[in-house]
Amino acid sequence: DAGITQSPRHKVTETGTPVTLRCHQTENHRYMYWYRQDPGHGLRLIHYSYGVKDTDKGEVSDGYSVSRSKTEDFLLTLESATSSQTSVYFCAIRPTSGGAYNEQFFGPGTRLTVL
Amino acid sequence: AQSVSQHNHHVILSEAASLELGCNYSYGGTVNLFWYVQYPGQHLQLLLKYFSGDPLVKGIKGFEAEFIKSKFSFNLRKPSVQWSDTAEYFCAAALGGSSNTGKLIFGQGTTLQVKP
Repeated sequence: DAGITQSPRHKVTETGTPVTLRCHQTENHRYMYWYRQDPGHGLRLIHYSYGVKDTDKGEVSDGYSVSRSKTEDFLLTLESATSSQTSVYFCAIRPTSGGAYNEQFFGPGTRLTVL
Repeated sequence: AQSVSQHNHHVILSEAASLELGCNYSYGGTVNLFWYVQYPGQHLQLLLKYFSGDPLVKGIKGFEAEFIKSKFSFNLRKPSVQWSDTAEYFCAAALGGSSNTGKLIFGQGTTLQVKP
């Protein structure tokens, strides 16, 4: 257990409504990531953060925004949800030590359905 | 653009059979490679990783993978699978070096079904 929680775990919403997913970590790691998982595509990076207020886009960032006002929380917002954003969303953290690369640890996921 | 390809989308094996899942990446520089496993209804867990050194890496639960730089491959192997290995397997790559951001590029995933 890497101390990562995601909320909510399941959500059903309607097209056009805003949705915010939360990722919370307990270990103050600098790097945090949001991925979406879709059949046939594996996981694809949406946005990532390398510190408080420091974020950057991933490969599928259109329609998503993120915020990180505290080290422990990384929020993913769908400003106006569409059916194409129905997916399972995973948050991940990456410990760093001495500049060495380390693997990412994943949260339990949020299953989002947009009707 | 960098990419990761997994050749087998769905594999069905009987218990005790040997497993090899293919993974190829496209990037000419230093790369860090990973295999993750996702058991039904669970989150991704790391099976093994390659950063440098011995190209044959051993992971948890009897899995191993071989990094072949000349073939841009990082295939996953297990000599004898068990029913509990039924899961989805993902190969992933990250650009190496001290300035890397850690962004992972995933393959499409391989669903492994092991029949008892």
